[in-house]
Amino acid sequence: DTAVSQTPKYLVTQMGNDKSIKCEQNLGHDTMYWYKQDSKKFLKIMFSYNNKELIINETVPNRFSPKSPDKAHLNLHINSLELGDSAVYFCASSRDTGIYGYTFGSGTRLTVV
Amino acid sequence: SQQGEEDPQALSIQEGENATMNCSYKTSINNLQWYRQNSGRGLVHLILIRSNEREKHSGRLRVTLDTSKKSSSLLITASRAADTASYFCATVTDSWGKLQFGAGTQVVVTP
Repeated sequence: DTAVSQTPKYLVTQMGNDKSIKCEQNLGHDTMYWYKQDSKKFLKIMFSYNNKELIINETVPNRFSPKSPDKAHLNLHINSLELGDSAVYFCASSRDTGIYGYTFGSGTRLTVV
Repeated sequence: SQQGEEDPQALSIQEGENATMNCSYKTSINNLQWYRQNSGRGLVHLILIRSNEREKHSGRLRVTLDTSKKSSSLLITASRAADTASYFCATVTDSWGKLQFGAGTQVVVTP
């Protein structure tokens, strides 16, 4: 069983489109995160939810909107995609807020053309 | 701004040798974590060391933490080709658990 699963794995889309990435964890963790990894492999946090409540909201364009329907799911919706949004997006979960290690999904490679 | 800086950026060694990489950070931490990322894959958690700990071991991995110097090191002993990956340090500095990553060290182990 995959612990943290993201779909889709690859996403190629045109500028201006709206797209969503889904994430699910079956570990019973309370906290979930979205990270963005750029072309230089630098990882930056975007959002975090703890028990469906938004607790971290970094400075990202408001075209990015997370949604957590329950504590096992955290989705990322992106409106009006731009070329600069091309990156690998990772979902992660942890048992508590930063006290334990994270479990990462395998990533979604988004390419905006 | 980036919390962690890793050194070296890249490391190439032969199987059986030890690999050491260092991480420096800027502000006080709750804990520091090391992750491995194989090419095209997600990150795998290796070790978490708390701010009141100085050393931790896990199999062939040894992590040290020096809070006075704001630095940590990861040692991989008797490296294997399967250890080829990027290694990242990350710090937690707040109660929300925000992990701030360094730029990573790319390790290549040749048979």
